[in-house]
Parts: sequence; C-alpha cells; structure tokens
Amino acid sequence: QVQVVQSGAEVKKPGASVRVSCKASGYSFTSNYMHWVRQAPGQGLEWLGIINPSGGSSFYAENFQGRVTMTRDTSTSTVYMELSSLRFEDTAVYYCARGFDDISGFLDYWGQGTPVTVSS
Amino acid sequence: DIQMTQSPSSLSAFVGHRVTITCRASQDISNSLAWFQQKPGKAPKSLIYGAFSLQSGVPSKFSGSGFGTDFTLTISNLQPEDFATYYCQQYDSYPYTFGQGTKLEIK
Repeated sequence: QVQVVQSGAEVKKPGASVRVSCKASGYSFTSNYMHWVRQAPGQGLEWLGIINPSGGSSFYAENFQGRVTMTRDTSTSTVYMELSSLRFEDTAVYYCARGFDDISGFLDYWGQGTPVTVSS
Repeated sequence: DIQMTQSPSSLSAFVGHRVTITCRASQDISNSLAWFQQKPGKAPKSLIYGAFSLQSGVPSKFSGSGFGTDFTLTISNLQPEDFATYYCQQYDSYPYTFGQGTKLEIK
C-alpha cells in the first residue's frame, strides 16, 4: 500500500535552515510528483511547491522562491524540502503529499506532517 | 494567483442531516478542483478530485459538483466522524491554492 513517511519534529532558530524528508513506498517512486504544503498553527493550508522525482525538476510558489529547495534521492525513494532563512512565521506543520497518477495536481496520499518550530 | 473562497467558514448541523459547502474560484478552473477533510492534529485526507470523482475508499455519502468557478461539496447522513474541517483546492494552474476551510460542527 502507498505510504509517505516524514521525518520528525524540528526546532530551529531564526535565520537557520531546516530540511524535512519524505520517504515513499508502495509504488514506483519516479512515477508520481510530490508536493509540499504547510499549515501554521490554527490556520489553513498553503502550497509550497512540487517536485518531479523522475527528473528532479521543481516549481516553487512565489512566496518561497529563493528560500525553498526541493530535491530527491531515487536510491532511497525520498524527497527533501529545505527552507532557509527561517522566520518566526515559518512555524508550521509541513506536509508532503503524493500527486495522483494522471492528475498530478491532486494530492492523494499525505505524510503525517513534520512540525517545525522557529524560536529564539 | 487563483483565489479560492469557501462559504460558510463554519456551520453546525445535526447527526443524520445533510450539508453543502460552497467553493468559488476567482477565475475559470474547469474541473480541476479537489476536496479534503482534516481532523484536529491529523493530516488532510483526500475526498474528491476532478470536482466530482470520489477518491478510492471514500464513501458515497460525499459528493461533489460544479465546473468553471462554482463548486459544491455535499455530505449526506452526517455521522459523528464527519465533523471536521473541509478544504477545497484548485490544481488548474500554479501556484495551487486552497480555500480557507469550512469547519463543520455538531449541533
């Protein structure tokens, strides 16, 4: 069965970087895009961007361009999201979610979420 | 960016009743619309894609409709486990965007 498992909680200081991992299993890793979405405490969902695990190409939301980098390791079926120059307002739960087979924009399977806290 | 506006922001309903949530896009998105359910402390769960197609394993009490800019999610025969927050999301064009959410509570 499809599974998407994320790394554990992180606490970072302002200005630092954080890298969150997302390990996929139960399907052909390079056949489906992977998205990243975040949710600040008590707030709604915000889309960060998407990566194609096949070739490694990515697209980032304008709000995060210059600060976010999405990469993948096909040998371990893992995608990574790194966010730099962290600010207090980056405190959120970060989710990875798989793009559906023929409709890559539909997020069908979600990871459990990784809480990231930015605190001095 | 395409703005997604849900209404209402919150609503309460009785067990056994039916509710409808509306989602409006700021421009035509064809049928590139998905719905998600989220419970406190949990990841969102996918319900519907393509405006009306049920994700595998989702019960038929959930139904979606709409095209272009106006969409609805209807939940019939409400049960305690259905009380949650619901989000719509457009995937017509980057950046993908979500509605602000509709919190469904038990009356």
